[in-house]
Amino acid sequence: AQSVTQLDSHVSVSEGTPVLLRCNYSSSYSPSLFWYVQHPNKGLQLLLKYTSAATLVKGINGFEAEFKKSETSFHLTKPSAHMSDAAEYFCVVRYPGANNLFFGTGTRLTVIP
Amino acid sequence: NAGVTQTPKFQVLKTGQSMTLQCAQDMNHNSMYWYRQDPGMGLRLIYYSASEGTTDKGEVPNGYNVSRLNKREFSLRLESAAPSQTSVYFCASSEVGLANYGYTFGSGTRLTVV
Repeated sequence: AQSVTQLDSHVSVSEGTPVLLRCNYSSSYSPSLFWYVQHPNKGLQLLLKYTSAATLVKGINGFEAEFKKSETSFHLTKPSAHMSDAAEYFCVVRYPGANNLFFGTGTRLTVIP
Repeated sequence: NAGVTQTPKFQVLKTGQSMTLQCAQDMNHNSMYWYRQDPGMGLRLIYYSASEGTTDKGEVPNGYNVSRLNKREFSLRLESAAPSQTSVYFCASSEVGLANYGYTFGSGTRLTVV
């Protein structure tokens, strides 16, 4: 079955330290991959997307993600966390031929001052 | 501002009442979607409309109906609300036909059924 797995439901980091949010997908084919962020009581905002070009994708607010086909992963990283990064992050996949997106269950990022 | 507009933002219903959630987009997108978001479950697709005049069931369609009124508008109706439908509802739109497209989301409707 097609699915997307976010390995951590909650990640806590100190301000200024690196962020790593993990995501794995299940597919024999290269899907379209996205990361969305949701701040409290807000809608979802697109952070970045993988477009089958460069495997390292840069997004907004200093985030980036690397597509690794051999590991079926699309982990989200940021070199230095900021307080404003505290939010919920969703890894999202569109499989070839599918009309809709599949959402991971989300990772809540807490940034400690 | 261009985007997806949802109304209302908040709603409290009694069990058995009906209501319609409205969604409109002004980006000339072909596809529109309704999702519900519940704690620990991410977003789950209720219904979608790949293009004007078509609608299809998603992962959790029971208890809901939809109408694609025109290219801009896609409404979600609860005919007889149940407490299990307490959730945050998001409408989204996208342009079909591109190899890799993302969605534009509305700001959500927080629905409580008591």
